Amino acid sequence: DAGITQSPRHKVTETGTPVTLRCHQTENHRYMYWYRQDPGHGLRLIHYSYGVKDTDKGEVSDGYSVSRSKTEDFLLTLESATSSQTSVYFCAISSTGRRSGNTIYFGEGSWLTVV
Amino acid sequence: DQQVKQNSPSLSVQEGRISILNCDYTNSMFDYFLWYKKYPAEGPTFLISISSIKDKNEDGRFTVFLNKSAKHLSLHIVPSQPGDSAVYFCAETSNQFYFGTGTSLTVIP
Repeated sequence: DAGITQSPRHKVTETGTPVTLRCHQTENHRYMYWYRQDPGHGLRLIHYSYGVKDTDKGEVSDGYSVSRSKTEDFLLTLESATSSQTSVYFCAISSTGRRSGNTIYFGEGSWLTVV
Repeated sequence: DQQVKQNSPSLSVQEGRISILNCDYTNSMFDYFLWYKKYPAEGPTFLISISSIKDKNEDGRFTVFLNKSAKHLSLHIVPSQPGDSAVYFCAETSNQFYFGTGTSLTVIP
């Protein structure tokens, strides 16, 4: 198993509250990603990081922000949670990034429910 | 706009038979594809990959075929086993790591 730990694994929060999900890796990989999985939409990229303090948006970044102050940690923040952000969130890592031959490895997921 | 499409949300196959999962893509610049397998309450796990310089890659019971002219790839599982029951995602990683919507495979004992 890739050394990826997501926390919390399960969370219920109220609409309008801030939420932070944490991804911690022990592989020293340069690239880290946050995806969300929803029925009918598969896995969609929210944000990714290509190094400490270097991040970029994915296809569904609205309402989310990220930070990476250390190689091993990548935080996903919902500034003001909405019911549409109820989802399963997966962190992923890779050593080679966005080019041919890349393989990414996923964490076990964080289930977020916004009520 | 879905760049990688899996048009079959579900598939049921008898144990021992072949499972064929399909994936279509729109961007001819994509040149590296992967398949992932996902069990409930777990993260996706890498299964097999293929580069556009090949049209076939095989790993045990799993074979991926790539048809570049049709922008189509498929995953063949032979013989299918009950433990193969999972959701399968195709993905391209040469650009933005687009994933398909997934196909839920059920292998019936």
